[in-house]
Amino acid sequence: DQQVKQNSPSLSVQEGRISILNCDYTNSMFDYFLWYKKYPAEGPTFLISISSIKDKNEDGRFTVFLNKSAKHLSLHIVPSQPGDSAVYFCAASRQLQGAQKLVFGQGTRLTINP
Amino acid sequence: DTGVSQDPRHKITKRGQNVTFRCDPISEHNRLYWYRQTLGQGPEFLTYFQNEAQLEKSRLLSDRFSAERPKGSFSTLEIQRTEQGDSAMYLCASSDRAGNTIYFGEGSWLTVV
Repeated sequence: DQQVKQNSPSLSVQEGRISILNCDYTNSMFDYFLWYKKYPAEGPTFLISISSIKDKNEDGRFTVFLNKSAKHLSLHIVPSQPGDSAVYFCAASRQLQGAQKLVFGQGTRLTINP
Repeated sequence: DTGVSQDPRHKITKRGQNVTFRCDPISEHNRLYWYRQTLGQGPEFLTYFQNEAQLEKSRLLSDRFSAERPKGSFSTLEIQRTEQGDSAMYLCASSDRAGNTIYFGEGSWLTVV
């Protein structure tokens, strides 16, 4: 049972344009969501997070939106840069219940074209 | 470098051999996690420590796997009698007492031949 889903395995965007990565979850107990970026042969790097009490969080070029009713979150990157090319994972957890483990989606490979 | 450190980065072993990975978390972090990632998948939770106590273990952690964190600092993950299905990247991560953000190391690649 895939509780966190990233339905797009890959996404290609022109440099300077907006990249939008999507993530859906099924477990309504999740209350904290994170996005990680991963280069080949490296561990995931934390990008940005959002608590379920918010619907938006911004950090520089990265914005995460959370739609609890739809159980959907998205990561917007604007403007996109070549260094953004990587695999992006969304992850969810039940922080308020004290649970510590993250449940990850399968990842979306983002390619930024010059 | 004050990030999560893992050793070795790569390990090739013959089926049936034992392997051990080490993780040094971020120094002020009391929570430590092990995850496993296979090709085309996201990381999957294996186990979690708070200080030296192992508080949660996934069903993925068969009896051939054992993790320790004896002094609440570094941790080891041992896989006994390795099988080809154990080939994966083993990721260690740590977080502070609040636990809101989990920071990963660069991973240890295991190839079982």
